[in-house]
Amino acid sequence: QSALTQPASVSGSPGQSISISCTGTSSDVGGYDFVSWFQQHPGRAPKLLIYTVTTRSSGVSDRFSGSKSGNTASLTISGLQADDEADYYCSSYTSSSTLVFGGGTRVTVL
Amino acid sequence: LLMQPGGNLVQPGESLRISCEASGFIFDSYSMNWVRQAPGKGLEWVSYISHTGSLIYYAESVKGRFTVSRDNAKNSMYLEMHSLRAEDTAVYYCARDNPPGDLWGQGTVVIVSS
Repeated sequence: QSALTQPASVSGSPGQSISISCTGTSSDVGGYDFVSWFQQHPGRAPKLLIYTVTTRSSGVSDRFSGSKSGNTASLTISGLQADDEADYYCSSYTSSSTLVFGGGTRVTVL
Repeated sequence: LLMQPGGNLVQPGESLRISCEASGFIFDSYSMNWVRQAPGKGLEWVSYISHTGSLIYYAESVKGRFTVSRDNAKNSMYLEMHSLRAEDTAVYYCARDNPPGDLWGQGTVVIVSS
């Protein structure tokens, strides 16, 4: 199972909106509404932000939102803040009953 | 809470068992996953075990070498790793599965080196 494709890096200024794409196939992202997004700060465990494509995890700011079209899912961060600087990973359930992660995207707040 | 013991250093070809102990929730109601992260790299899913232990899946990279198990009476999950290779060096996280990754342990460092 190949990793899902994410851009290596995305940057934005405070207050701006950015989007991170996550491209898979019809055997994972496109075939199931089980796409999740995680945030990971250096040296910390990942934190669940979004699951089932659009559902925010408990306590997560509404500045984070998810969507999906075909084989590509997206995470949008609006009102970018300094603390949003982190690595972001998507994941998807697959037709093999496994999970697959994206390669990760480093978000930089300029 | 998911508690994971500290790091381990093993030689190539050796075996190791790591553990994950749950508290604060009804452990036997949840499926669980192991996810690893090599130094400076992204997340890699390793294994899944259902709440009863009857359903188990592995990533191709560890199939035949790693075995996941759980003891619901001890609120614990285990990952037994055999024929360890340098490329298995990583932080190994346990993660609850409802939804996938809604709760993570702090990770166990496994270093495979001679």
